[in-house]
Amino acid sequence: DTGVSQNPRHKITKRGQNVTFRCDPISEHNRLYWYRQTLGQGPEFLTYFQNEAQLEKSRLLSDRFSAERPKGSFSTLEIQRTEQGDSAMYLCASSPSGFSGANVLTFGAGSRLTVL
Amino acid sequence: EDKVVQSPLSLVVHEGDTVTLNCSYEVTNFRSLLWYKQEKKAPTFLFMLTSSGIEKKSGRLSSILDKKELFSILNITATQTGDSAIYLCAVAPNNAGNMLTFGGGTRLMVKP
Repeated sequence: DTGVSQNPRHKITKRGQNVTFRCDPISEHNRLYWYRQTLGQGPEFLTYFQNEAQLEKSRLLSDRFSAERPKGSFSTLEIQRTEQGDSAMYLCASSPSGFSGANVLTFGAGSRLTVL
Repeated sequence: EDKVVQSPLSLVVHEGDTVTLNCSYEVTNFRSLLWYKQEKKAPTFLFMLTSSGIEKKSGRLSSILDKKELFSILNITATQTGDSAIYLCAVAPNNAGNMLTFGGGTRLMVKP
């Protein structure tokens, strides 16, 4: 297992277009997280899955954002009708469950979105 | 709302210097504090701290937590150019999701 994999690594799109990012977590991890990071800021939590169930969504996640993890393995994050303010790095992370292990998130390299 | 503040925002030192990075936090029902290093790509895990006063150490890096004063420090001794990165502090609440709340990071640049 090579860690958390995200693609595409870079996406440039025009305002109003839809984009989708994919995340493949570490195979034995049942928790999966999406974060957004803008320049000069720390990652901000967007949403979290335990297996296929989406258990938490941030209020940052507008109705243009949707995330799925249909079989409890890979996840997709779709942004509809993109806006320039959506330009950011979208980070995926995974972790095992359990009292202490769940806190240690392993991050992917991120998908950088630029909305023109 | 959970909050994490890191200082300084950025720091420039020369190789061999020692640096101390600060992280203060407010969190409802604290579980743990974590430090990550972020170079150009993914944040990579450094330390997880759950108990006050117990130093975690890995090579030239060390960290300690003060749960009474709600802060942590990350020390790097004998800095090298490879230490140049953004250092992120995050807190985990004691709830089912354990969603980390991150600070804004400290950008460290080590000059040769």
